[in-house]
Amino acid sequence: DGGITQSPKYLFRKEGQNVTLSCEQNLNHDAMYWYRQDPGQGLRLIYYSQIVNDFQKGDIAEGYSVSREKKESFPLTVTSAQKNPTAFYLCASRLQGAPGYTFGSGTRLTVV
Amino acid sequence: KQEVTQIPAALSVPEGENLVLNCSFTDSAIYNLQWFRQDPGKGLTSLLLIQSSQREQTSGRLNASLDKSSGRSTLYIAASQPGDSATYLCAGRLQGGSEKLVFGKGTKLTVNP
Repeated sequence: DGGITQSPKYLFRKEGQNVTLSCEQNLNHDAMYWYRQDPGQGLRLIYYSQIVNDFQKGDIAEGYSVSREKKESFPLTVTSAQKNPTAFYLCASRLQGAPGYTFGSGTRLTVV
Repeated sequence: KQEVTQIPAALSVPEGENLVLNCSFTDSAIYNLQWFRQDPGKGLTSLLLIQSSQREQTSGRLNASLDKSSGRSTLYIAASQPGDSATYLCAGRLQGGSEKLVFGKGTKLTVNP
């Protein structure tokens, strides 16, 4: 079955550590996205990529970094510069020219 | 700046009731609007997508409408079931090649048996 796989499902980070969240899709979608979800708030866009080796900042990119070396993969690194990283992170993808977005099952990151 | 509002924030209904969830947006230059379902601790499942040129879309017991002039979309759920209990999110994408979905905060629906 085609879809988006996010791993791990739960992740714990110590203060000052960088952590990387994985997002892989086998839908052959061109564009990929990272959103952050906090309780009581709407999802907010962190980064997106429309093609390999290119990505753009979203509304809340500070403290995050991404790479897009392969079409099917779009990992997100939460750096120590991100002051409040505890949140639910969702990866999405979209076929260029198609209107709809497909979302993964999410990674819950907690700072301990 | 596009803002999306969903009212009510929470809704509790008895099983079998027909219900309407509301979504309003501030910028009428909307390219499309998508309704999602989110179960606790899970990702988003796409329910319906309405293009700006469309007025409504239907899938089973779900019907979504879009009125750009009034800045509103509604999700109608017929004959609600306990399995419909979830948070429902609407998200709009602006015209002009925007890659961003602007989300509302969601409506948490509880259908009581």
